[in-house]
Amino acid sequence: GAGVSQSPSNKVTEKGKDVELRCDPISGHTALYWYRQSLGQGLEFLIYFQGNSAPDKSGLPSDRFSAERTGGSVSTLTIQRTQQEDSAVYLCASRLQLGFERGEQYFGPGTRLTVT
Amino acid sequence: DAKTTQPPSMDCAEGRAANLPCNHSTISGNEYVYWYRQIHSQGPQYIIHGLKNNETNEMASLIITEDRKSSTLILPHATLRDTAVYYCIVRVEDDYKLSFGAGTTVTVRA
Repeated sequence: GAGVSQSPSNKVTEKGKDVELRCDPISGHTALYWYRQSLGQGLEFLIYFQGNSAPDKSGLPSDRFSAERTGGSVSTLTIQRTQQEDSAVYLCASRLQLGFERGEQYFGPGTRLTVT
Repeated sequence: DAKTTQPPSMDCAEGRAANLPCNHSTISGNEYVYWYRQIHSQGPQYIIHGLKNNETNEMASLIITEDRKSSTLILPHATLRDTAVYYCIVRVEDDYKLSFGAGTTVTVRA
């Protein structure tokens, strides 16, 4: 079946521009997560959605970062006024989470963002 | 304050078993041992997890010592496609914030 997909796969942008990164989770997965992974750094949690709500935004590094999810499916991560330190691979994961049923997180291939 | 320690790299011959060690001496009673891997240019992939019993699935086996202070991930018949960074983490089952250390870079050679 289809896995988590992300677009674009690569994005090069100039410092100060806004970017939008898209995630299509696995159909039926209620939970969605955004992470980023920088060269030499580990995996960094950004935000968690359950349905269209984001009960945990604690990992967003600044107010330039925002995310939304619509229809309990597609999510968009927006970075405004990009800075060079925003360069990283942005990963999306989804998970089946209904009541006490918990699945594992399935990751997409990521979007490699380069800010020049 | 890493909760797990893994060797930085290891080589394995194609077709042979790969045994990946992980130390987690400060693991708490309600923490599980999880293994993930990340193939180059792909997102992380869940492999297996366990609490105290040994576990096996279609990808791998997980052997956890009786005192739970260490574990070994076994890839029974390594293939070239198993070349990846393997991450061992400990976490409570409901903790959704995954966080990886440096992991073990496994290179499977023909």
